[in-house]
Amino acid sequence: SQQGEEDPQALSIQEGENATMNCSYKTSINNLQWYRQNSGRGLVHLILIRSNEREKHSGRLRVTLDTSKKSSSLLITASRAADTASYFCATEGGSYIPTFGRGTSLIVHP
Amino acid sequence: DTGVSQDPRHKITKRGQNVTFRCDPISEHNRLYWYRQTLGQGPEFLTYFQNEAQLEKSRLLSDRFSAERPKGSFSTLEIQRTEQGDSAMYLCASSLRLAGDEQFFGPGTRLTVL
Repeated sequence: SQQGEEDPQALSIQEGENATMNCSYKTSINNLQWYRQNSGRGLVHLILIRSNEREKHSGRLRVTLDTSKKSSSLLITASRAADTASYFCATEGGSYIPTFGRGTSLIVHP
Repeated sequence: DTGVSQDPRHKITKRGQNVTFRCDPISEHNRLYWYRQTLGQGPEFLTYFQNEAQLEKSRLLSDRFSAERPKGSFSTLEIQRTEQGDSAMYLCASSLRLAGDEQFFGPGTRLTVL
């Protein structure tokens, strides 16, 4: 079963625009991570946010976590064509077994 | 290359055959994970190891699936009597537990069962 669910399933924007993806989950977590996957490739870790953190930044990426709403968002600012990929959230609870959502497919048009 | 490597990258087999995949994690990482990913889905956890100990295997998809990590370094995932439904990407990841749970993924092995 998949704990995290990303929204939207697909997102199409123009280069330079911001992209926001959301992740909702059902049970309490220890941490939440965001990953990127280019077509046919392995996943690349982007950001980890722990349950006691509310916001983290990494370059053009901003992640927020609202444990009361059991949701997280990933914001990519000033998007580039190279950001075209699928983005997944993964939650870890008490068992520390990562559970991934189905992902958001982002297309950035040059 | 000091990343996670997987071999082979692609495997085509006939239904009923056994297949084995290998994963070499980042050398100092003590945790190793196996996932399956089908088209349009996120990775689905299968099993993981802490050094050579397999700490969770209840989520292996059936008793046809087994994994080993004999010396706490590389790992193998075997699928016996393959079925067409086993066709998927099999991903391996490793992590250094103390470093905050970030997983480093390999490129995956794409299995096609004819």
